[in-house]
Parts: sequence; structure tokens; C-alpha cells
Amino acid sequence: GAVVSQHPSWVICKSGTSVKIECRSLDFQATTMFWYRQFPKQSLMLMATSNEGSKATYEQGVEKDKFLINHASLTLSTLTVTSAHPEDSSFYICSFRDRQNNEQFFGPGTRLTVL
Amino acid sequence: AQSVAQPEDQVNVAEGNPLTVKCTYSVSGNPYLFWYVQYPNRGLQFLLKYITGDNLVKGSYGFEAEFNKSQTSFHLKKPSALVSDSALYFCAVRDPNSGTYKYIFGTGTRLKVLA
Repeated sequence: GAVVSQHPSWVICKSGTSVKIECRSLDFQATTMFWYRQFPKQSLMLMATSNEGSKATYEQGVEKDKFLINHASLTLSTLTVTSAHPEDSSFYICSFRDRQNNEQFFGPGTRLTVL
Repeated sequence: AQSVAQPEDQVNVAEGNPLTVKCTYSVSGNPYLFWYVQYPNRGLQFLLKYITGDNLVKGSYGFEAEFNKSQTSFHLKKPSALVSDSALYFCAVRDPNSGTYKYIFGTGTRLKVLA
């Protein structure tokens, strides 16, 4: 099956710093990708959708200036959490839509802890 | 509004017994339905999907699910549970007529298989 990688798998940072999370599709090309966050014992919450080469579309209540998404190519997307605060601590998961079959493939997730 | 419901937060089953994890949905038209499994601190792994055709769908690791349009349900089943099946299970739905590829996730059901 299709493989999606995320880096780093976990990160601890100080409040006020910025953190970048990379998401790559390793064996397929994706025109659309999604970023989710998941709080402990809760479901995935869609943060934003992005198409390669265009600006991301953010879900209601998600601050676009805080969560910067760059869909740089058909295989790479990054999420930057700017000026992170403890309430941003969460599990962030990306997914890519395979343009061949429209299925979503999920990355393994990144656990962000902001001190 | 589109929604997915997983009525049980947790399901306990003895090893070797059949298991069922319930999912109902509210989406107009003919939705695409998915089941994913999540192990601790990991991303989502695809189990199976229903797009069209036979209502009984077979997936990975011996899991299957039955699409029931009249009851708007897509329950996940396995004839004989293993301890290693213990994980968090998510049902998801996509509306193919929405113009997006967004998934709506249920709140998840924690499956605990007891030895």
C-alpha cells in the first residue's frame, strides 16, 4: 500500500517557538492533502485542506496565521505551528489523497508537546 | 448535516469470540464508508472501504463490514478476535457529491480483547 511519512515523530519545544512538521508521500503523487489534529481520546479534527500549488483552505476555528501549511509539491507538505503554546500540544496527522484512486493515506503522526 | 456516530466508546470481547464495532452515518445520497485502526501514538491504518457493490466488504486482518443502507449502518466485524486487535477504531464517511475529498470521522471506539 501507499506510504506516507511524517517527520519528526515527536517534538518537544518551548512556548513561543515555531515547529515545522513534514509530511511526504513516498510512492505516489497527491494533489490534495489534509492536516488533522487529535486530542487525547478524541477523534481526528480536520484542520485544513490543501491542493498542490495553491493556498490551503482552513476549517472554521483554525487560525491560518498560526498553522501555516505549505503544499510544496505533489509529494511534500509542511505544517508550521508558529509561536506555539501549551494548548497547541496535540497529535498531528497528515494524509494525502492519491490522485489515481482518490483514497486517503495517513501519516504515522507527530506528537507535539509545548512546554 | 453530515455526521458519523460510533455509539460505543469501548467494546470488550474475549479472545476467540466474534466482535462487532458499530457505526451509523448521516449522509445524503450514496456515501463512501471506511474503517481505520489506530494503535497508540501511530497514524491511521486502512482496514476496508465500501464504495459500491456487494454490501459485505472484506478487509485487512480478517475484518469485514456490512453496509446496510436502510439502517444507515456500516458495522465492523470479525469472527474471532485476537488480543492484538486491541486498538482504537474509527469509522469515516465521505460524500462523493460534496465536491471535496474530506472525510468525516466518528469519535472512535476502543476495542479491548481480553485473553
